[in-house]
Amino acid sequence: EVQLVESGGGLVQPGGSLRLSCAASGFTVISNYVSWVRQAPGKGLEWVSIIYSGGTTKYADSVKGRFTISRDNSKNTLYLQMNSLRVEDTAVYYCSRLDTSHWHNDYWGQGTLVTVSS
Amino acid sequence: DIQMTQSPSSLSASVGDRVTITCRASQSISSRLNWYQQKPGKAPKLLIYAASTLQSGVPSRFSGSGSGTDFTLTIISLQPEDFATYYCQQSYSAFTFGQGTRLEIK
Repeated sequence: EVQLVESGGGLVQPGGSLRLSCAASGFTVISNYVSWVRQAPGKGLEWVSIIYSGGTTKYADSVKGRFTISRDNSKNTLYLQMNSLRVEDTAVYYCSRLDTSHWHNDYWGQGTLVTVSS
Repeated sequence: DIQMTQSPSSLSASVGDRVTITCRASQSISSRLNWYQQKPGKAPKLLIYAASTLQSGVPSRFSGSGSGTDFTLTIISLQPEDFATYYCQQSYSAFTFGQGTRLEIK
């Protein structure tokens, strides 16, 4: 059974850093495309970043240069290192697997809340 | 960047009704269009991918159509559990979601 479990969210001050984790089971992150999607309180979904099976990474313009996606194959875990955090980065962050047969997100974690506030 | 515009933003309907939600892309995305359902406090759930393919386990009262720039999600005979927010997503060039359609009970 495929499962994704996020952790690492919390309260951080503007300008601070946080690292989110997403532990995967039922599939291997090294062989799949896995992404981060966020949702600000009361708002819609926003794609944040993706890492391809080959290691290529992509980012939304809103986080480029501040966020870094990575993975630890030995732990089968995805990470999102978030630096220079802004108030507008406040959101629930979801990790999600991308099915590349038709390019859709088929499995999602439960999300972890990041609050950026002074 | 490809922009996705959903309409309406909100919709009131009754159990048993048929509803249609539309999604328009700012440029052609072929059939790279997915639909998700989200309930409060929960992660999105995939309903339809590649514009018209029903995800396994999703009831057949949900259907999708369209290609190019214009797409629709139709739900026939609304059930109480269908009241939620629906999002379209393009996966043709990076990934962009529509702003969402909130389906409420009339």
